[in-house]
Amino acid sequence: GAVVSQHPSWVICKSGTSVKIECRSLDFQATTMFWYRQFPKQSLMLMATSNEGSKATYEQGVEKDKFLINHASLTLSTLTVTSAHPEDSSFYICSATQANPYNEQFFGPGTRLTVL
Amino acid sequence: QQPVQSPQAVILREGEDAVINCSSSKALYSVHWYRQKHGEAPVFLMILLKGGEQKGHEKISASFNEKKQQSSLYLTASQLSYSGTYFCGTESRGGADGLTFGKGTHLIIQP
Repeated sequence: GAVVSQHPSWVICKSGTSVKIECRSLDFQATTMFWYRQFPKQSLMLMATSNEGSKATYEQGVEKDKFLINHASLTLSTLTVTSAHPEDSSFYICSATQANPYNEQFFGPGTRLTVL
Repeated sequence: QQPVQSPQAVILREGEDAVINCSSSKALYSVHWYRQKHGEAPVFLMILLKGGEQKGHEKISASFNEKKQQSSLYLTASQLSYSGTYFCGTESRGGADGLTFGKGTHLIIQP
């Protein structure tokens, strides 16, 4: 159990275009989903926290207008990188938790975004 | 604030033991441990909560010293499959919060 999927697994796009990444919890309903980004050989940095039916909470320094998050249901959250630029190239990973009784987070396989 | 992990890297022979440490300057509610292999998502290993509760894999053990805001992950009789980067992630309060991860410890197991 506790499987989280992400789609696509990789994407290459031109500068200025928008890219949508989906995160789904396949076998459980996730109270909360999180979006992280990871640069090569670095740690995971929390970008935002997403709860179903409410606005996402963004970490300091993360532009909410650039990284749009929609949490449509208890099993689906989407991250849209708007007007992507080369500096947005990164590994984007989502995680999901049921939170009760533990906040163990299950990570998706990640999406590698390359902006040309 | 990002927790500090040590060591940064360790190389072991198969069957040897390793300890990975995670230290925070903030009071902690919980510590989470994950292993990540290159190009893959982190895999959940263990969660340790303030008050002594913990949940994790049978072959993995860890400790959490709330007063010192430190946690240690114990890998015994290491196997080749244990290779990867180990991250600790911390929460300062209860509830569904995102994690603040350390920089990771690279573990290489040699035959």
